[in-house]
Amino acid sequence: DAGVIQSPRHEVTEMGQEVTLRCKPISGHDYLFWYRQTMMRGLELLIYFNNNVPIDDSGMPEDRFSAKMPNASFSTLKIQPSEPRDSAVYFCASSPPLRYNEQFFGPGTRLTVL
Amino acid sequence: AQSVTQPDIHITVSEGASLELRCNYSYGATPYLFWYVQSPGQGLQLLLKYFSGDTLVQGIKGFEAEFKRSQSSFNLRKPSVHWSDAAEYFCAVRSGDGGSQGNLIFGKGTKLSVKP
Repeated sequence: DAGVIQSPRHEVTEMGQEVTLRCKPISGHDYLFWYRQTMMRGLELLIYFNNNVPIDDSGMPEDRFSAKMPNASFSTLKIQPSEPRDSAVYFCASSPPLRYNEQFFGPGTRLTVL
Repeated sequence: AQSVTQPDIHITVSEGASLELRCNYSYGATPYLFWYVQSPGQGLQLLLKYFSGDTLVQGIKGFEAEFKRSQSSFNLRKPSVHWSDAAEYFCAVRSGDGGSQGNLIFGKGTKLSVKP
């Protein structure tokens, strides 16, 4: 059974460029979460979706960040324009119906903005 | 506001020794509590959870945790550590009385090193 799939695993880009991170949740899961992990701030929830609808985006740092979930099997997190302070590991997680507390994490995307 | 404190940033134990990782939470109502483990270069994996009932919960990989309301603690334990347990461990809390579903608050993590 495939877990949460994230791509790319590593991304190096230059300041000002657009970055798109991708996530495929576990089939049948109806919650999807985007987290950011840094040494300074730890693991922070950015946004989460339920049945493809954004429920809470209060953790999104600013307008440069946007997330979409066009269908149950795909989500994107976009940063435009990117800045060096966006460098972090971005995790996607999903959880099954009625067990939204039990989140299954993907391997993460390590983003470096030069 | 809800918060989770893991007082120990880094712990080193010998293989075969017992382990206890500390976690304290701050929340007024009944918390839902979790422990996750993150191996290097990997995402987080759920070890165990507490929602209600028996305050001693068993998880995967031989881990257990005890919820102590009087101490606002949810410490993780393992009687005998294996070298493969070397990883970073995160405690998390979520509101148990509704509100924003699925919104976990994570501690800063405790990195565990295992000496041969």
